[in-house]
Order: sequence, then C-alpha cells, then structure tokens
Amino acid sequence: DTGVSQNPRHKITKRGQNVTFRCDPISEHNRLYWYRQTLGQGPEFLTYFQNEAQLEKSRLLSDRFSAERPKGSFSTLEIQRTEQGDSAMYLCASSLRLEGELFFGSGTQLSVL
Amino acid sequence: GESVGLHLPTLSVQEGDNSIINCAYSNSASDYFIWYKQESGKGPQFIIDIRSNMDKRQGQRVTVLLNKTVKHLSLQIAATQPGDSAVYFCAESRSPPDSGYALNFGKGTSLLVTP
Repeated sequence: DTGVSQNPRHKITKRGQNVTFRCDPISEHNRLYWYRQTLGQGPEFLTYFQNEAQLEKSRLLSDRFSAERPKGSFSTLEIQRTEQGDSAMYLCASSLRLEGELFFGSGTQLSVL
Repeated sequence: GESVGLHLPTLSVQEGDNSIINCAYSNSASDYFIWYKQESGKGPQFIIDIRSNMDKRQGQRVTVLLNKTVKHLSLQIAATQPGDSAVYFCAESRSPPDSGYALNFGKGTSLLVTP
C-alpha cells in the first residue's frame, strides 16, 4: 500500500492519559498535515510540516498538543493530559510540492473516557 | 468570521440521475477550491479542484462550477451510482496547498443514492 498510513486506527484512553499517533506519508511527499474531525463536521486544520519544519499551527492546537516530524518522513502527534473533548478522528494528509491535492490517511479514532 | 458552508446537509437521488451539491463561501480572498468525498471509516478522497481564475472544470463524471460573484461553488455528478453514496465536502484556501495555506472544510453533504 503506497497511501498515507496512520496508526493506530483506534485508541481508547482514560482522561488524563497521554496518547501518541503516528502518520507515514506517501514516500517523497514533503508536506504533511494534521487535521481533526468530529462527527458530522468537516476536518479542521491543526498543523502543517514542510519536510521537518513545522510551518503553521492552528489556534485549535493547544499546548497539550505537540507534533513532530524529526527526519522529514513520518510524523507523530502527541496529546498530553487528554480530555473528553479531545475525542475525535485525527487525520493525516500529505502532498507533493506544487500539487494541490492532499492525500488523506484513514485516520486514528480517539475516544477519551 | 470566514466560513465555508453547504446549503443542504443531505441529498437523496435515484441511481442514474444527476446530482448537484452546493457550497457557499464567504472569504473573498479564497482562490482555490476543492471537493472531497468521504466514505464511512475512511479519510477524505480528492474528487476535483478549481482555481479562482476558472469558472468551470470537468473530470470523469464530475464537474465543478465556481461563481465568484455570489461566492458559490457546486459539484455536479453525472449518472450517479450507488458507489457515489458518501459525504461530500467542499474546502477552500487562499492559495493552493503548495504554498502552505491549509484547507478550510465545510460541514459536508451526505449523498444517498437509491436504486
């Protein structure tokens, strides 16, 4: 499979715990995006990387959220001290420079109990 | 504030009919628009995009129309098939994502194709 891969597909955690998600973009795509989607809503932009540099962050990304892309390939999104409001689908997308289309993964569904 | 919205939350069409999904946007600085399809349990899948210097673009069975005067975007699907049943999102950006501006998605329209 050469698409965007996200792990895990599902994560159930207790409030206050930390969680980490991983995204493997399409090989050679230098741009990587994280989005969050709640039921019945469109995806909301969280943050964006060009290679290993995090170039843009949404105001939605509180200081409990941190994203990294250390070698410009895979990325991780960590949520510290999870809250019930963090329950959502976390989507990763990648794109190749000069291309308008974002390729999305299937997402990680987070449930905070 | 700036928003991207859809006129109808649900649309039901018969197999073989044409479907039209509408979208309104309010950001006059938007210059790139894109339609995505999302099936249950999957991430959004690209359908078609259009830049603000165009008013129409056609793909395979799909056409996107852009009316900048009234800030309106539509997706037309010809000969709708059961496999077209999904949620459709329009999204806009101030410039194509190759410039780094993130896509701003609307809420989505659920398309149901009946036999």
